[in-house]
Amino acid sequence: QKEVEQDPGPLSVPEGAIVSLNCTYSNSAFQYFMWYRQYSRKGPELLMYTYSSGNKEDGRFTAQVDKSSKYISLFIRDSQPSDSATYLCAMSGSSNTGKLIFGQGTTLQVKP
Amino acid sequence: ETGVTQSPTHLIKTRGQQVTLRCSSQSGHNTVSWYQQALGQGPQFIFQYYREEENGRGNFPPRFSGLQFPNYSSELNVNALELDDSALYLCASSLPGLADDTQYFGPGTRLTVL
Repeated sequence: QKEVEQDPGPLSVPEGAIVSLNCTYSNSAFQYFMWYRQYSRKGPELLMYTYSSGNKEDGRFTAQVDKSSKYISLFIRDSQPSDSATYLCAMSGSSNTGKLIFGQGTTLQVKP
Repeated sequence: ETGVTQSPTHLIKTRGQQVTLRCSSQSGHNTVSWYQQALGQGPQFIFQYYREEENGRGNFPPRFSGLQFPNYSSELNVNALELDDSALYLCASSLPGLADDTQYFGPGTRLTVL
């Protein structure tokens, strides 16, 4: 069993839809939770970072962490074609700058 | 402030050869991590360098080695290349202890082993 599981999709939605992306994990030592966005042929770009449980909002993006269920989510409101990319969840136990464990990535396509 | 840069962009090698990939960290960052991303997969941690010392290693064989230089740039060396080494190699830099102590990734080097 992988430490971090992420549905690879692909996920296709119409423009303006609310998108929900999820990851589950098995290691209860994880305390730092991140979402990265990766466009084709580019490196991952940090979208959201959350420490421990709770919610965090940044514009159209909301990240949720439920440590009791070992489940994290990223919500994208009013999705745009420019949001079409692969979304990677990542986690770390020791620090945000230490070894990151990534999910497989979910490929999202937002159709105009 | 310059971001993380990597060279070369693309590389084609044959089995058994050796390769060196290079990474320049973001200005002021003293920590560099290397990741391997196979097609359709998430990145996998190879190792991390902090102030020129290896500071953690993932589940990769010893033929994957690295260096960090006094200016905090870094190299990833892979000996005896295998077909499964074909992947996107990413480096990420960070500065532990800052409020914004996250890892910033470069664009990657795409390695193809034939």
